[in-house]
Amino acid sequence: QQQVKQSPQSLIVQKGGISIINCAYENTAFDYFPWYQQFPGKGPALLIAIRPDVSEKKEGRFTISFNKSAKQFSLHIMDSQPGDSATYFCAASSGGTSYGKLTFGQGTILTVHP
Amino acid sequence: DTGVSQDPRHKITKRGQNVTFRCDPISEHNRLYWYRQTLGQGPEFLTYFQNEAQLEKSRLLSDRFSAERPKGSFSTLEIQRTEQGDSAMYLCASSFGGSGELFFGEGSRLTVL
Repeated sequence: QQQVKQSPQSLIVQKGGISIINCAYENTAFDYFPWYQQFPGKGPALLIAIRPDVSEKKEGRFTISFNKSAKQFSLHIMDSQPGDSATYFCAASSGGTSYGKLTFGQGTILTVHP
Repeated sequence: DTGVSQDPRHKITKRGQNVTFRCDPISEHNRLYWYRQTLGQGPEFLTYFQNEAQLEKSRLLSDRFSAERPKGSFSTLEIQRTEQGDSAMYLCASSFGGSGELFFGEGSRLTVL
């Protein structure tokens, strides 16, 4: 019930293309869904987050789409750039415990070719 | 640099030895979290503090693991009698209040030989 499943494991896109990463969760108590970006040798950094009262949130080139009934959410990176090459993690948490107690997906290694 | 800092960045130890990691959070953050990340996986929650109080511990945190946050500032994570399965990156993060926005340090990588 605590799992967050992420796909694909790895993704290669060309510069300027759209990167799409998907996540699915089981625990209906989750009400906070962030995406973190991690570069090699660094800790994860928050990219964008969404709560279930909206179906989409956009910040610059990054968009989260959220489907509450399907218990799925996804990250779209528009106009992907080589500097976006990193590992991306979706996560989920519940305010009933602590929003900082995150359950992470397995990660997606994104490579953007110039 | 006013981010989360962790020390040491790398630790190599022999099986059975004790190790201790330190985390200095962002100064105004009252919540501090420890996560563990193994190669190719997402971070896994271990424990968290609000000020000096340890509010929750994961079942992943065996009795060989202990964490403290004296005076509600820095935190230490000690692993006693290390095992090869303890080899991982230990990440510390802090936040203000119950916010889900965690600020992670660069981690302490443990290798148990």
